[in-house]
Amino acid sequence: GAGVSQSPSNKVTEKGKDVELRCDPISGHTALYWYRQSLGQGLEFLIYFQGNSAPDKSGLPSDRFSAERTGGSVSTLTIQRTQQEDSAVYLCASSSRGGDEQFFGPGTRLTVL
Amino acid sequence: QQPVQSPQAVILREGEDAVINCSSSKALYSVHWYRQKHGEAPVFLMILLKGGEQKGHEKISASFNEKKQQSSLYLTASQLSYSGTYFCGTEYGKLTFGQGTILTVHP
Repeated sequence: GAGVSQSPSNKVTEKGKDVELRCDPISGHTALYWYRQSLGQGLEFLIYFQGNSAPDKSGLPSDRFSAERTGGSVSTLTIQRTQQEDSAVYLCASSSRGGDEQFFGPGTRLTVL
Repeated sequence: QQPVQSPQAVILREGEDAVINCSSSKALYSVHWYRQKHGEAPVFLMILLKGGEQKGHEKISASFNEKKQQSSLYLTASQLSYSGTYFCGTEYGKLTFGQGTILTVHP
């Protein structure tokens, strides 16, 4: 079956612009996660959605970052007024429920000039 | 808080064994292990749950010491395909990942 998909695969933007990153989780998965990975670094947790519960936003680095999940499926991560330090690979993952194995998408490589 | 992994890097020859450790300052409910190859997304290896249950897809073994808040991943008879960065993740629901251990297997 289809895995987790993300779009775009690459995004180049200018400092100060807003960007939207999209994640399509595996059908039926109730849990969805966003992570950020800077070059050569580990996986930084950003936000976690579980079913209809309020999302865990504890990893969002600033109020320029926000995410939503519509209809319990597709999720969009929005970064407003992008900064150069936002440059990274943004990974989305889903699992059948919180705590289960996570299936990662291919990521979106964001470059802020 | 981020779990601490050791070693940071390890180099092996094919057929050699390695152990990667993951320590947390917080009580653990579960530990996840993932492997990421260069330029690819992380791939699930194993979950170890409090109480001893394990769920995994590969012939890789691991241990989970709840009292010591530690987990270890055992890679035996390593193959070239084992090369990559190994991450442990802790906490229920959301995962907080360690900084990673780079494993390189040479012929």
